[in-house]
Amino acid sequence: DAGVTQSPTHLIKTRGQQVTLRCSPISGHKSVSWYQQVLGQGPQFIFQYYEKEERGRGNFPDRFSARQFPNYSSELNVNALLLGDSALYLCASSLVEGISGNTIYFGEGSWLTVV
Amino acid sequence: DAKTTQPPSMDCAEGRAANLPCNHSTISGNEYVYWYRQIHSQGPQYIIHGLKNNETNEMASLIITEDRKSSTLILPHATLRDTAVYYCIVRANNAGNMLTFGGGTRLMVKP
Repeated sequence: DAGVTQSPTHLIKTRGQQVTLRCSPISGHKSVSWYQQVLGQGPQFIFQYYEKEERGRGNFPDRFSARQFPNYSSELNVNALLLGDSALYLCASSLVEGISGNTIYFGEGSWLTVV
Repeated sequence: DAKTTQPPSMDCAEGRAANLPCNHSTISGNEYVYWYRQIHSQGPQYIIHGLKNNETNEMASLIITEDRKSSTLILPHATLRDTAVYYCIVRANNAGNMLTFGGGTRLMVKP
């Protein structure tokens, strides 16, 4: 079975532009989360979606938004890009939310460079 | 989620056991201990998790102290491919799917 898949793998954008990153969870997984990892740091939580509803949000500005589709795939949108948005953006999925039997699996990420 | 403390770096000889410590002295009764690792430029890889009892799977063993204030991840026979940053995370049952990553331990496995 395929793992968590993300696209694109690498992209370069200019300051002020907008970007959309896509994620397909593991088949059967209903929860999707997004993380930002700046070089040299651990991943930071941005959003969680479960059954198409936002269930959690990290400390990120409103320029960051996301949604989950009926097939449980997800998109992360970032508007008005800043140089500091350059990072690895990770998508993670799990079968359900909460703890019991609930392992969170990560994709390989999308590398965003803002110039 | 409880804060975790890990050494920033460790070395291990290839073929030997790698023992990675983690302190989580403020852990609550409903918080699990999770371990992930991240090989350079890749997404974090789930290793193992536990609540109270020691756990073992095909990748590693997790030893949690009786007071649950610390734990150790054991890679029984480290290989060069185990070189990575290892993250210890404590996660509450009501935290949804949010994981709080700290700085992790950079494990270097040497020939």
